[in-house]
Amino acid sequence: SQTIHQWPATLVQPVGSPLSLECTVEGTSNPNLYWYRQAAGRGLQLLFYSVGIGQISSEVPQNLSASRPQDRQFILSSKKLLLSDSGFYLCAWTRGAYEQYFGPGTRLTVT
Amino acid sequence: RKEVEQDPGPFNVPEGATVAFNCTYSNSASQSFFWYRQDCRKEPKLLMSVYSSGNEDGRFTAQLNRASQYISLLIRDSKLSDSATYLCVVNIWEGDMRFGAGTRLTVKP
Repeated sequence: SQTIHQWPATLVQPVGSPLSLECTVEGTSNPNLYWYRQAAGRGLQLLFYSVGIGQISSEVPQNLSASRPQDRQFILSSKKLLLSDSGFYLCAWTRGAYEQYFGPGTRLTVT
Repeated sequence: RKEVEQDPGPFNVPEGATVAFNCTYSNSASQSFFWYRQDCRKEPKLLMSVYSSGNEDGRFTAQLNRASQYISLLIRDSKLSDSATYLCVVNIWEGDMRFGAGTRLTVKP
């Protein structure tokens, strides 16, 4: 069966510090991968999605970036965090137009 | 117009009630449709896919009307455990999933 992992679960970082969140998927190959952010009490905001290694589409221009160095690995990064980057970051995968499955998420607080 | 729009809610219903959620989408080329539920401070989890013929899973029934670009979710005999936020999701094309803002449901004893 397929499993999606995200870490860390919780993170507190000062403004201006770098960020690296990692997501890996097991039990499938060539998945579509996604990064979402959810601010407190708000809906999901799609940040990036990838249909293959090295292929990244950005939905929202901001100080975040994403990379897909391996088929089942998706990384979200920032060189300098802003207060507005606080939120619940979710990684997800899907095969084509089928159901999307989410990791447990990382709760980021920028102080 | 938002790509996926849902009833704003919140819905507060007693146990045993029947509740219906609606969702409209703007892209007529959308390929597939889903309902997710999200508990507080947790990740969204797939509730059910929505098929053109309509589908049922226990107390939950989903309907799709492609002509009207409309999706619905009906929950019968509501339980306390049904309290959550329900998200409507539309797949525009491979790799492009669009989420509604969600409708919050609270089922009260």
